[in-house]
Amino acid sequence: DQQVKQNSPSLSVQEGRISILNCDYTNSMFDYFLWYKKYPAEGPTFLISISSIKDKNEDGRFTVFLNKSAKHLSLHIVPSQPGDSAVYFCAASVNDYKLSFGAGTTVTVRA
Amino acid sequence: EAQVTQNPRYLITVTGKKLTVTCSQNMNHEYMSWYRQDPGLGLRQIYYSMNVEVTDKGDVPEGYKVSRKEKRNFPLILESPSPNQTSLYFCASSLGWGGLVRGPDTQYFGPGTRLTVL
Repeated sequence: DQQVKQNSPSLSVQEGRISILNCDYTNSMFDYFLWYKKYPAEGPTFLISISSIKDKNEDGRFTVFLNKSAKHLSLHIVPSQPGDSAVYFCAASVNDYKLSFGAGTTVTVRA
Repeated sequence: EAQVTQNPRYLITVTGKKLTVTCSQNMNHEYMSWYRQDPGLGLRQIYYSMNVEVTDKGDVPEGYKVSRKEKRNFPLILESPSPNQTSLYFCASSLGWGGLVRGPDTQYFGPGTRLTVL
């Protein structure tokens, strides 16, 4: 049973607007959460992460929010750019180097 | 250039014919891992290795074998492939655990191997 769930398989957003990607998890022991980005024919690449002791982490246009009580995290991309069109994977770990990944959300940024 | 390489990138084979997918990293990483990506299921871990001669099962190890005889290489072996092993496979490496502040170190992924078993 998947412990990390991304319930929206796809998201379409207009260039310049905000993209919001959601991720839910079931394992309350998860301590670290990460987002990876994947372009076609390439491997995933690390985007941003957050520790469970924080509720927000920002890196340029990318911000990750963590709501531990709801077991929910989200990734905000502002403003969205055409190069952001990719598959985004949410991942989590239990104080460990092993990661559990979600199914991914395909983001399409429209010009 | 720091990278993880996988070979082959594409492979079509038949049921029962043993195959090996190679993975090599040049970053002196301790930790290496194999994942498979399937539609609707995301990335699922097959096997991982924390060091030479140390390997452990991930979430979906059935039908796969691995070995870690050298630090840089982590081949994935399918002794008797079956059609349900048709998938996109990724190898990844990292320094492992970054400590309580940093958490898990960034995993660097190879470009993927698309395997079709007929």
